[in-house]
Amino acid sequence: GAGVSQTPSNKVTEKGKYVELRCDPISGHTALYWYRQSLGQGPEFLIYFQGTGAADDSGLPNDRFFAVRPEGSVSTLKIQRTERGDSAVYLCASSSTPGTSGRINEQFFGPGTRLTVL
Amino acid sequence: TQLLEQSPQFLSIQEGENLTVYCNSSSVFSSLQWYRQEPGEGPVLLVTVVTGGEVKKLKRLTFQFGDARKDSSLHITAAQPGDTGLYLCALNKGGSEKLVFGKGTKLTVNP
Repeated sequence: GAGVSQTPSNKVTEKGKYVELRCDPISGHTALYWYRQSLGQGPEFLIYFQGTGAADDSGLPNDRFFAVRPEGSVSTLKIQRTERGDSAVYLCASSSTPGTSGRINEQFFGPGTRLTVL
Repeated sequence: TQLLEQSPQFLSIQEGENLTVYCNSSSVFSSLQWYRQEPGEGPVLLVTVVTGGEVKKLKRLTFQFGDARKDSSLHITAAQPGDTGLYLCALNKGGSEKLVFGKGTKLTVNP
């Protein structure tokens, strides 16, 4: 079956520009996550959606970053006034249901969008 | 300060050798996951360990969760070039759904 897909796979933009990154989760998965992975680092949490609402956006670094999931499936991560420090791989993951009793639910990751800000 | 410390950061070995990589924390965690990430791909879950002292095997991979639930190890027997990748440990912090990852161990297995 289809896994998590992300588009574009690569995005090169200039400092100050606006970008949108798209994530198509596994069909039927209610939870969707965005992470950012810089070179030589593990993924870093940005935001988590349960259905259409952002259940936890504590990882968004500042107000230039915003994400939506209007119909509870596809999500878009939006970055305004991009800076060179925003260059990273942006990963999306989805899972079927939240974990229970403190246990982690399995998250399925997409291949990521590599963003380069010149 | 990293919540999860992974070591070594880099490891390059020959095919057929054994290796162990480590994931440590100063905090107790309820469960921990190990992922492998190949270049250009997202992380793929290998295992979730839950019980202190637990040992899980996945073919040539053996995962151990420390008795105090503050550390974990991954041992690979007779490594193969296909084992090459970034090995990440992760936990969920504060009972939330978000994963907190270590920096990973980048493993290269040379033929």
